[in-house]
Amino acid sequence: GIQVEQSPPDLILQEGANSTLRCNFSDSVNNLQWFHQNPWGQLINLFYIPSGTKQNGRLSATTVATERYSLLYISSSQTTDSGVYFCAVAENQGGKLIFGQGTELSVKP
Amino acid sequence: DAGVTQSPTHLIKTRGQQVTLRCSPKSGHDTVSWYQQALGQGPQFIFQYYEEEERQRGNFPDRFSGHQFPNYSSELNVNALLLGDSALYLCASSPGQGLAGNTIYFGEGSWLTVV
Repeated sequence: GIQVEQSPPDLILQEGANSTLRCNFSDSVNNLQWFHQNPWGQLINLFYIPSGTKQNGRLSATTVATERYSLLYISSSQTTDSGVYFCAVAENQGGKLIFGQGTELSVKP
Repeated sequence: DAGVTQSPTHLIKTRGQQVTLRCSPKSGHDTVSWYQQALGQGPQFIFQYYEEEERQRGNFPDRFSGHQFPNYSSELNVNALLLGDSALYLCASSPGQGLAGNTIYFGEGSWLTVV
């Protein structure tokens, strides 16, 4: 099955800094989503982005499907951005999401 | 528009007991999937229900079973609980069995502790 690798595993930032999170996947996909997991465990949808670029406020994401990677950009980070960011993909014809191990982000005031 | 709702939020069970977790999908969604997330790990797919049938299953033993009702809500049952079943159980819903073109939404999860 598809392998999903996220980097870095941990990231510590000062408030106001920018960051880039990376997700590599080993095969073609028909779904790629970025999630933010808050301290209470809820997975919050950030982007559905199997290809192309999207922006939502301070967050943006780019997926280059032909090269099998996706990037999540966080600009002007805030303490509320802290938490774990997951990338998840679905195989073609598949009905399940396969998650990476996540990037744990800590934004210090 | 209600999102995905799960109950209970937290529960503690003893080894060997059985547990039932419940999920109501987002309005307009007919497909429910369950995931298990151990501490420090990404969620792992358990199974997917569509049209009241299990359509796809991950690498979980038969102790894990489920059900989907005509109103699309779902239950996850775990029998003969083991300490290793302690985890966050997440329910997800989507509009259709396949995920191409569909955003999948997750509930807040049920925290299960087995002692």
